[in-house]
Amino acid sequence: DAGVIQSPRHEVTEMGQEVTLRCKPISGHNSLFWYRQTMMRGLELLIYFNNNVPIDDSGMPEDRFSAKMPNASFSTLKIQPSEPRDSAVYFCASSTVGNYGYTFGSGTRLTVV
Amino acid sequence: AQTVTQSQPEMSVQEAETVTLSCTYDTSESNYYLFWYKQPPSRQMILVIRQEAYKQQNATENRFSVNFQKAAKSFSLKISDSQLGDTAMYFCASAPKGTSGSRLTFGEGTQLTVNP
Repeated sequence: DAGVIQSPRHEVTEMGQEVTLRCKPISGHNSLFWYRQTMMRGLELLIYFNNNVPIDDSGMPEDRFSAKMPNASFSTLKIQPSEPRDSAVYFCASSTVGNYGYTFGSGTRLTVV
Repeated sequence: AQTVTQSQPEMSVQEAETVTLSCTYDTSESNYYLFWYKQPPSRQMILVIRQEAYKQQNATENRFSVNFQKAAKSFSLKISDSQLGDTAMYFCASAPKGTSGSRLTFGEGTQLTVNP
């Protein structure tokens, strides 16, 4: 099993640009989570999906952030327009519903200049 | 709602010795899971150990074990025979148990350094 796959690993973009982060969960996992990690705020849950349906997006900081899961094997997190304060490491994680064996991807380090 | 607190921002230990990382939590859930994750400099989040709250027996994974005190809402991690590769940030986390996938709530983390 290749694990949870995130791309890109690093992203540097200019303020105001659109950024799209991608995630492929483990095959057979039907829960997917997007977390953001910063020094100031630690690990924060942004949104999670069960069976491709968004369950809780209360952690999404504002309307500039959006997430989709069009099928069981792919999810995106989009920031438009990006701002310097969005600079962070963004993690995707997946799990089997009820299993609680959360597996994390390697993260995307986003830098907005 | 869940909260997780790690009161030790940094700790250090000599190689081969034992160290204990502290974690307290609060939850309104009747059943839940508790976790310890390790994040080395590579930034990968690695599951170290998991405990179901309704199980009284403390979980153990090789050199890693927990001391789960449910009444006190305490969940400490003991690392025996510390190795240089154990140097990492350690996060305590909780999640309610249910039929649907549920959010993990993390503590602030403890940076552990193992010295040669």
